[in-house]
This record gives sequence, C-alpha cells and structure tokens, in this order.
Amino acid sequence: GNSVTQMEGPVTLSEEAFLTINCTYTATGYPSLFWYVQYPGEGLQLLLKATKADDKGSNKGFEATYRKETTSFHLEKGSVQVSDSAVYFCALAPRDTDKLIFGTGTRLQVFP
Amino acid sequence: KAGVTQTPRYLIKTRGQQVTLSCSPISGHRSVSWYQQTPGQGLQFLFEYFSETQRNKGNFPGRFSGRQFSNSRSEMNVSTLELGDSALYLCASSSRQGGPANTGELFFGEGSRLTVL
Repeated sequence: GNSVTQMEGPVTLSEEAFLTINCTYTATGYPSLFWYVQYPGEGLQLLLKATKADDKGSNKGFEATYRKETTSFHLEKGSVQVSDSAVYFCALAPRDTDKLIFGTGTRLQVFP
Repeated sequence: KAGVTQTPRYLIKTRGQQVTLSCSPISGHRSVSWYQQTPGQGLQFLFEYFSETQRNKGNFPGRFSGRQFSNSRSEMNVSTLELGDSALYLCASSSRQGGPANTGELFFGEGSRLTVL
C-alpha cells in the first residue's frame, strides 16, 4: 500500500540555521510528492511539489528532490527564519487522484 | 479569487447527534476532497468528489457521508456522533479534471473544528 514516513518533531533551530526534514515513502506506481505547511490556526498550504523522479520542487527558499532510488523527498532550507515556524507535512498522491496520503507532520520551531 | 470556504468554523455537538459541514471550492474547481485531522491519527482522507460523483472514499465507517452539488459545493455529514469524531475537518479543491492527468495542487480551507461532548 501507499504510506509516508517523516521524522518526528519537534525540530528546534536557531534563526539562520540549516533545516532538513526527512521524508520517505512507499507507493505503487509513480506518485506525485508534496510538502504542505500548516501555520498555527490555519489550514494547509502547498509549499512545493514534484511529479516525477529527479524533479526538484522549490518555493520560499525550501527545496525537495524526488528520489525514486531511495524513495525519499527530504525538505531542506539553507537559512530558516522565525516565520518558518509551523508544522510541515510530507504527502503523496497516486496518479489521477486528489487522494493525498500524509505523513504525521513535523513541527518546526525557530528561535531568534 | 476567493479561497476555499468552509462553514461553520467551529461547532460543538453531543454524542448521538449528527452534523453537516459545508465547503465552497475555489471558483472553477470541480474536484473537492475532505480530510479529517486529529492529534492521534493525523490527516486522513475521507472522500473525493468530481462532478457530483464520489471517486474515492477513505476507510471511515458509514456514519460519514458526503455529496457534491452541481455548482461543485460539497457537504459532509456525520451521523450518530462519537467522542472520537472530534477533529478538524478540512476541505480542499483542485482544478484537476476528470481524465487521466498529473495530480493537481490542492487548495485547503481553514477547516471546521468539531467538538463532540
């Protein structure tokens, strides 16, 4: 079946530190991969996506590369800001569906 | 362009009651899906609708039902509420069409927070 595993949180960093949040997946076929972010009291927002192997999604300084050989989609940012504090969800969607399968979420806390 | 609108934002019910939640997708979006978010189970898929037809359903009991109207607005209903139904219910819409295509981006509403006492 399809599943997503992401690292447990919380991840606590100082401002300008480097961020990595690990995500691995299990899927049949060739799913699309996503990172969504949820700020306190808000719904989910798409952060970035990749639809095929070796694609790199990027947005707001965040990046993730679709690695089929390692079934991974790790999220990285070179220099985090306090405003990046949120919960980050890795997700996959099988082809031809909007049925997202989410990881458990990783809370990021960035301190000045 | 208005985003996905969910109503009500907050509601409190008691066990045994039923609840109906509403979702208005982004104008032009015909695909609507619903998710349940709880601290224990995380985000779980409930249903996906396109052009008034349910295309996918998650692993939830029959107490959870939904529908989509001709204007793409969607409702979900939970009957005989249980304490464990307390959750944030999120609706999302996308511009994905009915045929084979790469998965589109989902736009989420802010959710309806249901508390069951």
